[in-house]
Amino acid sequence: TQLLEQSPQFLSIQEGENLTVYCNSSSVFSSLQWYRQEPGEGPVLLVTVVTGGEVKKLKRLTFQFGDARKDSSLHITAAQPGDTGLYLCAGAVYNFNKFYFGSGTKLNVKP
Amino acid sequence: ETGVTQSPTHLIKTRGQQVTLRCSSQSGHNTVSWYQQALGQGPQFIFQYYREEENGRGNFPPRFSGLQFPNYSSELNVNALELDDSALYLCASSLVTSGGETQYFGPGTRLLVL
Repeated sequence: TQLLEQSPQFLSIQEGENLTVYCNSSSVFSSLQWYRQEPGEGPVLLVTVVTGGEVKKLKRLTFQFGDARKDSSLHITAAQPGDTGLYLCAGAVYNFNKFYFGSGTKLNVKP
Repeated sequence: ETGVTQSPTHLIKTRGQQVTLRCSSQSGHNTVSWYQQALGQGPQFIFQYYREEENGRGNFPPRFSGLQFPNYSSELNVNALELDDSALYLCASSLVTSGGETQYFGPGTRLLVL
C-alpha cells in the first residue's frame, strides 16, 4: 500500500481545459513536494509546501497543502501540451529520514 | 539542471551479477537518497546517507547497499541481481533548512537485468 495516494492515475484532456490532481494520506507530513517527470528523466521539483493551508502559485499551476498537512492538490489552469508528464507528490516525515512518493498522475494534454 | 549527475545512464546486466551505480551530489548538500522507480510507478525509497552514514532505509533487502564519500558523491551497490531489479535508479541530494527538506534529483540510471 502507498502512503500517499494520488488521483486520478491517468488524465487525458484537451488544450485549454482545467484540471486538479489530488494527493491524500492518513499521515502527517512536515513538508510536501510536487514534481513533474518526463519519460527517461528524473523528477523535477515544482514546489515545496510546508505550512498547513499554504497556497502557492507558479504561473498556471496552483498548489495547496491541507490544513492538517495530510493532503495536497495541484490545479492547472488552461492546460497546454507542454504540461504533459507524470506528476508526483512526495511527503517528508518529521525526522527527515524518508520521502514517500505517490504513484503519480500521468497527464496528457492534447493540442 | 539540478546539479546532480548519475552514471552510467543505461546498464544491462544478467541475473546474479553485481552492479555499482554512481551519483555526484549538488555542491553543499550533505544528504543523498536513492530511489528505485519501476515502470509506471512512483519512486520507492531505498535508503538515505547523511555525512557518510546510513540515515534511514526503506523496505529493501541487504543486497542493496550504499556508500557516501567525503566529497558527497555516493554509490548504490546491488548484489545478486534479480529480474525484478530492472528499474530506473534515482539519486537525490538534499539540504535541510528551516523551510523543510528539498530534494534535487539526478536523471537516473536505467538498469535492465536479463
